[in-house]
Amino acid sequence: EVQLVESGGGLVQPGRSLRLSCAASGFTFDDYAMHWVRQAPGKGLEWVSGISWNSGSIGYADSVKGRFTISRDNAKNSLYLQMNSLRAEDTALYYCAKGRQLVRTDAFDIWGQGTMVTVSS
Amino acid sequence: DIQMTQSPSSLSASVGDRVTITCRASQGISNYLAWYQQKPGKVPKLLIYAASTLQSGVPSRFSGSGSGTDFTLTISSLQPEDVATYYCHKYNSAPITFGQGTRLEIK
Repeated sequence: EVQLVESGGGLVQPGRSLRLSCAASGFTFDDYAMHWVRQAPGKGLEWVSGISWNSGSIGYADSVKGRFTISRDNAKNSLYLQMNSLRAEDTALYYCAKGRQLVRTDAFDIWGQGTMVTVSS
Repeated sequence: DIQMTQSPSSLSASVGDRVTITCRASQGISNYLAWYQQKPGKVPKLLIYAASTLQSGVPSRFSGSGSGTDFTLTISSLQPEDVATYYCHKYNSAPITFGQGTRLEIK
């Protein structure tokens, strides 16, 4: 079964850091681009960051550029999101999503259940 | 950056109705457009990619059309299980963006 399982969310104070992880199974992880998408409570979907199959192409939303870093470890079938200088507006459910192809320019066909990040003092 | 404008923001229709949701890009994006369905409390589900290609396992009452700047998601005969929020998604280049969403309810 194709599966994505996120972890690492929680309650964190503004200005602090958090690292999210996404464990992939049921498919050949290094054949596909991967992404992080977030959804604030009661709001719509917002793409956060994406990474190609070999980490050669990476992109970020303007709202997180310079604060968040995406990475992947194909040997461990895992995707990561290092989040620094967190703000209240980063509070959201963070989804890990699989791209349909090697490159970042395609739709997302598999989504994890998400991990909640709450930034509050 | 390319902006995606989705309409309407909400919609109420009867079972069996034909339902249409539109998405307009501020610049041409060829056919780099997908549609997702998100039921309350659930994870988004891919319905359509490349503007008009039905994802495997998705009922054939869902269809997509368009190219360039104007796109449409159509449900040919609305079913009770189609109650959800629908999002368009442009993915031709960064920043990737989603439409604001259309909340679909049964009348």
